[in-house]
Formats: sequence, structure tokens, C-alpha cells
Amino acid sequence: DTAVSQTPKYLVTQMGNDKSIKCEQNLGHDTMYWYKQDSKKFLKIMFSYNNKELIINETVPNRFSPKSPDKAHLNLHINSLELGDSAVYFCASSRLAGGNEQFFGPGTRLTVL
Amino acid sequence: GQQLNQSPQSMFIQEGEDVSMNCTSSSIFNTWLWYKQDPGEGPVLLIALYKAGELTSNGRLTAQFGITRKDSFLNISASIPSDVGIYFCAGQLNAGNNRKLIWGLGTSLAVNP
Repeated sequence: DTAVSQTPKYLVTQMGNDKSIKCEQNLGHDTMYWYKQDSKKFLKIMFSYNNKELIINETVPNRFSPKSPDKAHLNLHINSLELGDSAVYFCASSRLAGGNEQFFGPGTRLTVL
Repeated sequence: GQQLNQSPQSMFIQEGEDVSMNCTSSSIFNTWLWYKQDPGEGPVLLIALYKAGELTSNGRLTAQFGITRKDSFLNISASIPSDVGIYFCAGQLNAGNNRKLIWGLGTSLAVNP
């Protein structure tokens, strides 16, 4: 059983399109995260939700909108995709808000052409 | 955003050699964590440290939480080819439910069989 799963694994799209990435965790965790990993491998936190409530919102363009329908799911919608959005996006979860033991999904590699 | 100083940036070693990497911060942390990211996968937690001076092992891996609470190191003994990957340190300040992990830039490890 996959603990944190993301779909799709790969996403190739044109500039200007809108796309969504989905994440689900079956660990019973309260908190979920979205990270962006650029080509230099730096992991940058984007958002965090605790029990469907947004608790961390880093400086991210408002073209990125997270949505958490329930505490097991956290989706990421991106409007008007730009070349610089190309990266690997990781979803993660932790048992508690501010939890340090985070479990990561396999990542979604987004390529914007 | 805030980052940790992680070194070395990359290492290329022979199978069987021991490896050491470290992280330093200008801030005091309450928790230090070490993650490994295999190619094409998300980071996986290796070791979590919660007390200054704590020394914890996980198989061939040993990590320590520095006495000053501003640094941590990770040692890998008798490296094997499957140790290849990127190792990240992460630290956490104690600042409420929206506290987040501060990540190092990673140490890329290559092992020559």
C-alpha cells in the first residue's frame, strides 16, 4: 500500500495551460504539504494544510492554488503555466501540524514547453 | 528563504569507504533530521534527532545532534552502491503549529563499485 501517492507522475504541457496535481495519503496524518524541487535539487516548501486548513503559505505566485477536500487529500492547481514552473513537485504528510517526520510522495515531474 | 549550510555538495567514493557530511545553521534548532532521496523518488527519513548531543544509529548510518544545537553530521560506514542518492539535512525551529522544516541544499553521493 502506497502511503503518500501523487498523480500524475509526469506532466508535460504547453505554456499558458492550467493543470492539476493530486495527492492522497493513507497514513491518517493531519497535515499535508506541497514542495517544489528545482533543477538544483533544492526543496522549497510551498503550502501546508492541517485538517483542511491552510497553515503555511510561502511566497508563491497566486497562479498556484492548493485545495484540501479532506485531510487525506491535498491537490495543487496551477493556472497559466510558465516555463519557470518546470520542476518536480512533492506532496508530503506528517502526523501533526509542524510535524518534522514528513513522509513524501514519489513526486510529479512537470515540464512546461 | 532560510537555508542550512550543508557540505560537501557532492562526493564520489569507492565502495567500502566511510562517508561523512554535515550541516550548520546560524539558528538554534530543536530537531535535526536526515533524509535520503533516491533518483526519481521522494525523500525518505533516515534519522531524526531531538536532543542536543544525541547520537543515533540506523544500520550503517550514524547521526549526531550538535551540542550547540546549530549543527549535525551524518556518517555512513562501509558504503555500498545502493547508498547512491542525495542526502538532505533538515532542521526545525520551535515556533508553533506553522513551524516548517528548514532544508539543506543536499549532498549528492556517488559510489563506485
